[in-house]
Amino acid sequence: GAVVSQHPSWVICKSGTSVKIECRSLDFQATTMFWYRQFPKQSLMLMATSNEGSKATYEQGVEKDKFLINHASLTLSTLTVTSAHPEDSSFYICSARGQTGYNDEQYFGPGTRLTVT
Amino acid sequence: GQQLNQSPQSMFIQEGEDVSMNCTSSSIFNTWLWYKQDPGEGPVLLIALYKAGELTSNGRLTAQFGITRKDSFLNISASIPSDVGIYFCAGLETSGSRLTFGEGTQLTVNP
Repeated sequence: GAVVSQHPSWVICKSGTSVKIECRSLDFQATTMFWYRQFPKQSLMLMATSNEGSKATYEQGVEKDKFLINHASLTLSTLTVTSAHPEDSSFYICSARGQTGYNDEQYFGPGTRLTVT
Repeated sequence: GQQLNQSPQSMFIQEGEDVSMNCTSSSIFNTWLWYKQDPGEGPVLLIALYKAGELTSNGRLTAQFGITRKDSFLNISASIPSDVGIYFCAGLETSGSRLTFGEGTQLTVNP
């Protein structure tokens, strides 16, 4: 299957600082990238959808000024958590969709564990 | 938003047993996807289904796209300890739209 990488895999930061998470599709061009958030023992919660070269579409309740998304190329999207607070601590997972074969399939990165102290 | 009802929520089985889990929706989906997530990892795509009635296998895994396009099931045969994890179904209404996820099935396999 297609490979999506995420960096860093974990990060600890102090309250008030900003953290940037990178998501890359390694062997296919991602027409669309998605950012999810997952709390322990829960399903994935979609935060935003981004298409290359255009502004991200945020889900209801997700602050776009707090979670900045940039999808600069067909293989890279970044999520920046600005002025992070302890309640932002979570597991952030990106996903990329593109034609890897006959059909569009969606592949996930390994996730980034963010801990805000 | 749309919701998928996934069941069971958790399963505890003995190694070698077969497992079945399913998802139902009030909406029609054009694509059904089944993922497995290990602790601290992102979901890994197991099987993708694109046509109503489609039955697809991937090793010991078999999944079907329901005829009504509102349901799907995943079977795991002859379970092994490494099958442990959370299994998620996900539905896609139209190409380019967002996935709707089920709540997950936590599978525990006792050796």
